[in-house]
Amino acid sequence: NAGVTQTPKFQVLKTGQSMTLQCAQDMNHNSMYWYRQDPGMGLRLIYYSASEGTTDKGEVPNGYNVSRLNKREFSLRLESAAPSQTSVYFCASSGGTGNFQPQHFGDGTRLSIL
Amino acid sequence: EDQVTQSPEALRLQEGESSSLNCSYTVSGLRGLFWYRQDPGKGPEFLFTLYSAGEEKEKERLKATLTKKESFLHITAPKPEDSATYLCAVNTGFQKLVFGTGTRLLVSP
Repeated sequence: NAGVTQTPKFQVLKTGQSMTLQCAQDMNHNSMYWYRQDPGMGLRLIYYSASEGTTDKGEVPNGYNVSRLNKREFSLRLESAAPSQTSVYFCASSGGTGNFQPQHFGDGTRLSIL
Repeated sequence: EDQVTQSPEALRLQEGESSSLNCSYTVSGLRGLFWYRQDPGKGPEFLFTLYSAGEEKEKERLKATLTKKESFLHITAPKPEDSATYLCAVNTGFQKLVFGTGTRLLVSP
């Protein structure tokens, strides 16, 4: 019962490098999300995909791009990493577009940018 | 602006000592309130969805309640394994969740 799987679990980058964070879910969920979690800030939505083929900006999209590769996979790309993007990144998925569907989270990617 | 505030930031309890965590919110339109548990190094784990004021949900030693302005997570006779950070989130529409910063709970044996 994998649920939401994120890779890699840890990564260290230098300023200006690019990287793609991968996320896959095996629950046949339509909607997927990317969040970042910073101390004292709470989880903040970066991008989300309500269904395959669609993506929309969340609260903090600057510096990121996303791709909904298929129903299972949703990737987050940092084109030119900056120290301000040091954070823990979480991917989540939910089963429908209804307001009361809970989101289910992966265990995160811990990203440090030097 | 939609906002979620959790209190206290941290709470230390003795095993068996019941208490409550608070989540207050100001949103333009509440479309569900969610409670999550987060262990160190892990992602948030879903606990409850509350739909409307007056609703209550229970799971083992946890009970969540909802009013028009706040939600409470009551912990009855906690055990050390209940130690975690508890997160509250509100759905402001189109499945966009606004999270609070959480309450770190430590239960000592």
